[in-house]
Amino acid sequence: GQNIDQPTEMTATEGAIVQINCTYQTSGFNGLFWYQQHAGEAPTFLSYNVLDGLEEKGRFSSFLSRSKGYSYLLLKELQMKDSASYLCAVRGKAAGNKLTFGGGTRVLVKP
Amino acid sequence: DGGITQSPKYLFRKEGQNVTLSCEQNLNHDAMYWYRQDPGQGLRLIYYSQIVNDFQKGDIAEGYSVSREKKESFPLTVTSAQKNPTAFYLCASSGGTQDTQYFGPGTRLTVL
Repeated sequence: GQNIDQPTEMTATEGAIVQINCTYQTSGFNGLFWYQQHAGEAPTFLSYNVLDGLEEKGRFSSFLSRSKGYSYLLLKELQMKDSASYLCAVRGKAAGNKLTFGGGTRVLVKP
Repeated sequence: DGGITQSPKYLFRKEGQNVTLSCEQNLNHDAMYWYRQDPGQGLRLIYYSQIVNDFQKGDIAEGYSVSREKKESFPLTVTSAQKNPTAFYLCASSGGTQDTQYFGPGTRLTVL
């Protein structure tokens, strides 16, 4: 089985940086995804990590350490529109490309 | 314009009635998924299908049924056996080199 933990809520100031951590336990690992979900809307894909290291995409970066079962999503130069929930999801090695989602981290950006 | 559509956006049903939620994709993806999301929680997998005419139960399949007669379509029926059906239902399909899952806009079901 898989178990994923991430903080429930974080608050940050516009223009600042916020780091959202995700720890996971899995019997087989085949990739980690981060999604952004605004209230009442569907999740949208942000990033994918399958090898150790940092993936950078504009203001968003995601890091993975497979040996530690750890990932983080880094949001830089925060904007008010970044207020949303951020979901960490792990893909196992079993057939079906199934994802197991964490509970999500709600980020509130204040002016 | 490629994407995933779900209809309707909001759905109200009386307790004891079956209801079918539609999901259509024109991304030419083989795999499709149904998730349920309850307030303040993550997504839980209901059913998934890797190919036409085949589907498997996810973590919370009880009280739900699906069909996959066409590649583009993966409807979900919420039956009267589902004890707590009020939730936000999300359909996804996956493809591309990373086999990323992409989501439809969701259907918010309220059972009165």
